[in-house]
Amino acid sequence: AQSVSQHNHHVILSEAASLELGCNYSYGGTVNLFWYVQYPGQHLQLLLKYFSGDPLVKGIKGFEAEFIKSKFSFNLRKPSVQWSDTAEYFCAVNTGGFKTIFGAGTRLFVKA
Amino acid sequence: DTAVSQTPKYLVTQMGNDKSIKCEQNLGHDTMYWYKQDSKKFLKIMFSYNNKELIINETVPNRFSPKSPDKAHLNLHINSLELGDSAVYFCASSQVKSSGGDTQYFGPGTRLTVL
Repeated sequence: AQSVSQHNHHVILSEAASLELGCNYSYGGTVNLFWYVQYPGQHLQLLLKYFSGDPLVKGIKGFEAEFIKSKFSFNLRKPSVQWSDTAEYFCAVNTGGFKTIFGAGTRLFVKA
Repeated sequence: DTAVSQTPKYLVTQMGNDKSIKCEQNLGHDTMYWYKQDSKKFLKIMFSYNNKELIINETVPNRFSPKSPDKAHLNLHINSLELGDSAVYFCASSQVKSSGGDTQYFGPGTRLTVL
C-alpha cells in the first residue's frame, strides 16, 4: 500500500536556524507531491507542490523542497526560520487518482 | 470570498445524537473530500466525491453518510455519535486532472466534541 513517512514528529528550533523536514513515500510510479502547512487553530494551506520539471521547487514564505526520485523523497527546507513558522507541516502524495495520502505531520516550534 | 466554507465551526453534542456538517466550495472544483483530524493531528481521508459521485469511501463506520446534492456541496451526516468521533473534520476540494490530483483547498474545519 502507498504510504508517506515524515521522520520528525516534533522539531524545536531557534529563530534564524535552518530547517529541513524529511518526507519519504512508497510508490514506484509518477507522483504529484505537496507540502501543506497548518498554523495553530487554522486550516491546511499549500506551501508548495511538485508535478514535473525542475525537482527543486520554491514555495511561499521562503520555503523550498527538493524531489529526489531515486530516494523517493521530497524534503522541505528553509534557510532561516522565524517564530511565525511555528506550525504543523504535512507532506502529501498523489499517485494519479483522486486520493492524496498525507503524512502524519511534523510539529515545528520556533523559539523567539 | 471564502473558497471552502464549513458550518458549524464548533459542534458540542451528547453521545447517541445525530448531527450534520455542511460544506460548500465556490472554486468550481469537481472533487470534494472529507477528512478527520484526530488529537494527534493525523489527517485521515474519509470520503471523496467527484461530480456528485462517491469515489473514495475509506473504512468509515456506516454511521457516517456523506451527501453531495451538487458538485459545490458535500455534507456529512453522522448518526448515533460516539466519544471516538470527537475530532476536527475538514472539508476540501480540488480539481483532479489527467495528471492526477492538484492542490486541495481546505475549509476552516468543524471541531466536533461528543460528551
